[in-house]
Amino acid sequence: EVQLVESGGRLVRPGGSLRLSCAASGFSFSSNSMNWVRQAPGKGPEWVSHITPTSSTIYYAHSVKGRFTISRDNAKNTLYLQMSSLRVEDTAIYYCVSSMSDFRSGSNWLDPWGQGTLVTVSS
Amino acid sequence: DIQMTQSPSSLSASIGDRITITCRSSQHIGTHLNWYQQKPRKAPKILINAASSLQSGVPPRFSGSGSGTDFTLTISNLQTEDFATYYCQQSYSTRLTFGGGTKVEI
Repeated sequence: EVQLVESGGRLVRPGGSLRLSCAASGFSFSSNSMNWVRQAPGKGPEWVSHITPTSSTIYYAHSVKGRFTISRDNAKNTLYLQMSSLRVEDTAIYYCVSSMSDFRSGSNWLDPWGQGTLVTVSS
Repeated sequence: DIQMTQSPSSLSASIGDRITITCRSSQHIGTHLNWYQQKPRKAPKILINAASSLQSGVPPRFSGSGSGTDFTLTISNLQTEDFATYYCQQSYSTRLTFGGGTKVEI
């Protein structure tokens, strides 16, 4: 069974730091690009960051660039998100999500998703 | 970034109805458009990729169409389990973006 299990979310003060982890199992983690997607309370999903299988290419949303760092350890089947200079507007459920592709069509999509971990930034 | 605009933001429907949700992108994205379903306290689930390709296990009452900047998700013969929020998402750009969502209510 494919599983993505996030951890590390908690209450943190504005300006603080936090590291999220995502443990992957049931699929070839080292072959898949991975993403972090967040969803603020009552809002739609917002893509945060993307990392390719060998970490050779990384992308960030403008809203987190310079503050968040995505990384992965393929030996441990684990994805990370290091978050610093946290703001109230970073409050959200953070999902770990795999990228899937169909090379014939060039299509790619997000699947599967973890259950999410809640990050609350508040004083 | 590519902006994705969904309409309506919510709609009320009955069991057996046929409904259509619209998604518009701020620039041409070909068919790099995906649809997700999200139920309360659950993560989004992929329904359709490449604008019209139904994911394995998704009932055929779901269908998608469109290309360029205008896309639609249609649910025929609405069932109880289809009451949820639906999001479109573009994968044309490396910075993925989602629509604001359409909540389908009874």
